[in-house]
Amino acid sequence: DTEVTQTPKHLVMGMTNKKSLKCEQHMGHRAMYWYKQKAKKPPELMFVYSYEKLSINESVPSRFSPECPNSSLLNLHLHALQPEDSALYLCASSQDREGRAKNIQYFGAGTRLSVL
Amino acid sequence: GQQLNQSPQSMFIQEGEDVSMNCTSSSIFNTWLWYKQDPGEGPVLLIALYKAGELTSNGRLTAQFGITRKDSFLNISASIPSDVGIYFCAGRTFFFNKFYFGSGTKLNVKP
Repeated sequence: DTEVTQTPKHLVMGMTNKKSLKCEQHMGHRAMYWYKQKAKKPPELMFVYSYEKLSINESVPSRFSPECPNSSLLNLHLHALQPEDSALYLCASSQDREGRAKNIQYFGAGTRLSVL
Repeated sequence: GQQLNQSPQSMFIQEGEDVSMNCTSSSIFNTWLWYKQDPGEGPVLLIALYKAGELTSNGRLTAQFGITRKDSFLNISASIPSDVGIYFCAGRTFFFNKFYFGSGTKLNVKP
């Protein structure tokens, strides 16, 4: 099983709303990622969690707040977003074996976010 | 940061033709991954490469990890309409748990 599950699939929110994106994997992976992707562009890394600790924050605005409650779950809390934050948000996971081979990253299907 | 140059940016081919695309990096990678992405969906892993010189196949797809560890290519043989999509390469360095992505190759296949 190489499944990463993201919910919801679509989300429309106003600029004053608070919402959360959820991601789950049961592959025993210890690294989980959030990416933002605009149309026809590659995924752009936002955050990396390694063993449930935030290891990389790519200077993401504080209106995006990640959370990793346990090794299988990853959330992205959204507050006071701007219309330019509308994008496909992708979650991914990998084994987290720095310095070792065979570290494969699997993606979820994404959440299509529209900010009005 | 790391830069991956992926080419070509887009391709328009006839069904049945073979396709080749490649990625080059300014740094040495210890893992190369190739993904395909359909509109509105997440990237799906096609092939993973771990050793310099490694050549791996997955059906009609073949990918190679370059000897210099700074490049990789993906070949698709006998293309079919369902091959349409955007193909991304991704690489990872030895020390950091971070994957760097190429800009993508958009493949169009005419029946």
